[in-house]
Amino acid sequence: EAAVTQSPRSKVAVTGGKVTLSCHQTNNHDYMYWYRQDTGHGLRLIHYSYVADSTEKGDIPDGYKASRPSQENFSLILELASLSQTAVYFCASRTANTLYFGAGTRLSVL
Amino acid sequence: GDSVTQTEGQVALSEEDFLTIHCNYSASGYPTLFWYVQYPGEGPQLLFRASRDKEKGSSRGFEATYDKGTTSFHLRKASVQESDSAVYYCALSDQGTGNYKYVFGAGTRLKVIA
Repeated sequence: EAAVTQSPRSKVAVTGGKVTLSCHQTNNHDYMYWYRQDTGHGLRLIHYSYVADSTEKGDIPDGYKASRPSQENFSLILELASLSQTAVYFCASRTANTLYFGAGTRLSVL
Repeated sequence: GDSVTQTEGQVALSEEDFLTIHCNYSASGYPTLFWYVQYPGEGPQLLFRASRDKEKGSSRGFEATYDKGTTSFHLRKASVQESDSAVYYCALSDQGTGNYKYVFGAGTRLKVIA
């Protein structure tokens, strides 16, 4: 069974601080994704990657950086967290045209 | 760019009611269409997909038919149960263009009352 693990599961951050969300997959999948979930907007793609050491911008990349140091790990970095980045963040990996999501990280920026 | 529109933001039904959630899409190519379901405290999971016109996807009593003419992929279930309460997302992926992005709709929250 495909496994995607996100950490932390929840986090409270201060405005202007740096936040790193981590994602680990044991599926050996090439593609990994970071989505943001907001009520009324559904899931929106922030960044994705198809190979280690390379990342691509999604539809809403502003204010976010991504890092893929290995095939298994994919991080989302908020260098200067803002109130508007309060949301639930989901990581996913892909195989056979199916996305496998982690359980999500609930981020609150105060 | 590609987009997915779900008409209903929230739906409240009683057990054994018929469910319809409307999904329309806009894409430059010939996308694959998906329905994902998200239960409380979990990430979304694939319900089913369809890749070509008139193809029916189905799972767990839910079904949807790919309609290229009306650019729609409406989700239906004949008799809902309380355990079907969840958020449902329609999505598309147009990988024929070499684009491996997945575009999701805004989601529909289904609440089924016993």
